[in-house]
Amino acid sequence: DADVTQTPRNRITKTGKRIMLECSQTKGHDRMYWYRQDPGLGLRLIYYSFDVKDINKGEISDGYSVSRQAQAKFSLSLESAIPNQTALYFCATAHPGTGHTDTQYFGPGTRLTVL
Amino acid sequence: KQEVTQIPAALSVPEGENLVLNCSFTDSAIYNLQWFRQDPGKGLTSLLLIQSSQREQTSGRLNASLDKSSGRSTLYIAASQPGDSATYLCAVSAGGTSYGKLTFGQGTILTVHP
Repeated sequence: DADVTQTPRNRITKTGKRIMLECSQTKGHDRMYWYRQDPGLGLRLIYYSFDVKDINKGEISDGYSVSRQAQAKFSLSLESAIPNQTALYFCATAHPGTGHTDTQYFGPGTRLTVL
Repeated sequence: KQEVTQIPAALSVPEGENLVLNCSFTDSAIYNLQWFRQDPGKGLTSLLLIQSSQREQTSGRLNASLDKSSGRSTLYIAASQPGDSATYLCAVSAGGTSYGKLTFGQGTILTVHP
């Protein structure tokens, strides 16, 4: 089984709908991240969490919210989806290290289309 | 604000060629630099991580170098194979208020044809 899973893998929705993307991990990592990727662009950070009680905004948090339900679960919500939120969304986890050696482990991604 | 740029945006080579992917970053105060591989329909897989105090890392046919002072990294792939076809992303991790966060380049799409 995959260490980092995302559901759903694909989603088509309409403008104005509320959408939740879910991420679960079995790696036992404290840190979790949500990114979005647009064609021709790298990944951009939406929100990140260093533990259950620590939630931080990333580079592009407007229009998004998150919930860290447990160490293993981190959900991303689009309160009122709009077409320019059409993108590939990735969840990632990391183990707290020294910073110099910690890497992030990515889920398979959720392709979201907002019509 | 850290900015990461990758050149070229796309590269197509015949099987067996050695190739170099380039990554540059604007702020040299980094903790580490990582190279990731992205396959369609799959997530990112970390290939190599170079700590800020290191100059290079090797894994099989892959070699990544880091020149922090000039803000540059290269990923060298020896004897390329069709299975190497993927998007390659570099990302830097910084300290301070950016601790634990990665800034990504836009990626290089590599195609290795038989």
